[in-house]
Amino acid sequence: NAGVMQNPRHLVRRRGQEARLRCSPMKGHSHVYWYRQLPEEGLKFMVYLQKENIIDESGMPKERFSAEFPKEGPSILRIQQVVRGDSAAYFCASSKDPAMNTGELFFGEGSRLTVL
Amino acid sequence: GNSVTQMEGPVTLSEEAFLTINCTYTATGYPSLFWYVQYPGEGLQLLLKATKADDKGSNKGFEATYRKETTSFHLEKGSVQVSDSAVYFCALSNFGNEKLTFGTGTRLTIIP
Repeated sequence: NAGVMQNPRHLVRRRGQEARLRCSPMKGHSHVYWYRQLPEEGLKFMVYLQKENIIDESGMPKERFSAEFPKEGPSILRIQQVVRGDSAAYFCASSKDPAMNTGELFFGEGSRLTVL
Repeated sequence: GNSVTQMEGPVTLSEEAFLTINCTYTATGYPSLFWYVQYPGEGLQLLLKATKADDKGSNKGFEATYRKETTSFHLEKGSVQVSDSAVYFCALSNFGNEKLTFGTGTRLTIIP
């Protein structure tokens, strides 16, 4: 059973460009979460999506950032007009059923974005 | 709102030493508590969890007890190994919501 797959693992962008990060959840998981880890900091929640719906985007910056989880295909975190402060590791996690309160999120290996 | 406060790092110990990483939390209701571990270059993995007061989570020689009276969930291991070198995150979630609130992480280095 494949784990959470994220790509690209490393992405370099110049200021003003767009960054697209992709996440395929574990098989059977319909809940996806994006977290951002700034250098030397903990993970900060960004957005929680269920198939075709954004459930909670309270951690997402209001501008330049968007996320989707279409019916078919991976979840995508999109950052427009990147700035140096967007340089971070972006982790995707998935779960099967939050109502069960297992608390176990399955994390991908992360996508490390560097903005020059 | 929810918050998790973790022991500041980095922590450096010799092999076979006793480990404690402190974690306290603030939350509404009765959260579930977790320790996640991040090995170099990898994503986070669940290490252990406890879902109600006085529960003890354990895995790979690590233990943590859910203390409601002190709102704490300290991580302990009796004898650490070099392979335990990693960053450890304390986290919590509320019932019915898998959204986790993480502490800032504690980097642990074990030297032979």
